[in-house]
Amino acid sequence: QVQLVQSGGGLVKPGGSLRLSCEASGFDFSDTWMNWVRQAPGKGLEWISYISSTGSTTQYADSVQGRFTVSRDNAKNSVFLQMNSLRADDTAVYYCAKDKGDYSVFDYWGQGALVTVSS
Amino acid sequence: AIQLTQSPSSLSASIGDRVSFSCRASQAISSALAWYQQKPGKPPKLLIYDASRLAGGVPSRFSGSGFGTEFTLTISGLQPEDLATYYCQQFNSYPPLTFGGGTQVDIK
Repeated sequence: QVQLVQSGGGLVKPGGSLRLSCEASGFDFSDTWMNWVRQAPGKGLEWISYISSTGSTTQYADSVQGRFTVSRDNAKNSVFLQMNSLRADDTAVYYCAKDKGDYSVFDYWGQGALVTVSS
Repeated sequence: AIQLTQSPSSLSASIGDRVSFSCRASQAISSALAWYQQKPGKPPKLLIYDASRLAGGVPSRFSGSGFGTEFTLTISGLQPEDLATYYCQQFNSYPPLTFGGGTQVDIK
């Protein structure tokens, strides 16, 4: 069965960095686009990034452009989100999400990782 | 970016009721719309994609309709486990992929 297991959340000071990981199983990871979506406390969902199956194409929301970097290691069935210059408004639960493929929707989600940016 | 407006922001209904809520796009998006269900403390779950296609394993009481700028999610026979927040998402024009603000469904 499809599983996305996340790690790497935590408390970080403003201006700091954090790296999130998402390990996939149960599907052909190397043929699948992956996404990151976040949800601030008590708020709605915000798409922040996607990466193509080979890693050659990446895109970001304006809110994180230039600060966050998505990458993947297909040999390890893993996708990563490197977050730099973190701000208080980056505080959120971060989800990795599998792209359905034929449609740019998210058919499987990780369990989420809470990132808290606070001094 | 395409904006999605969901209404109402919350509703309360009884078990067995037929409930519907709306998602309006700021510009035409064909049928490129999905619906998700999110229960408290859990990640979202894909319910509907391409406006009306049911995702795998989703009960048939959920249905989606619409095209262009107006979309509807309907639950035919509300169940206790349907207590959740429902989000729409467009995939017609991106980046960015965008979500609506959500409709919270409570059980009376």
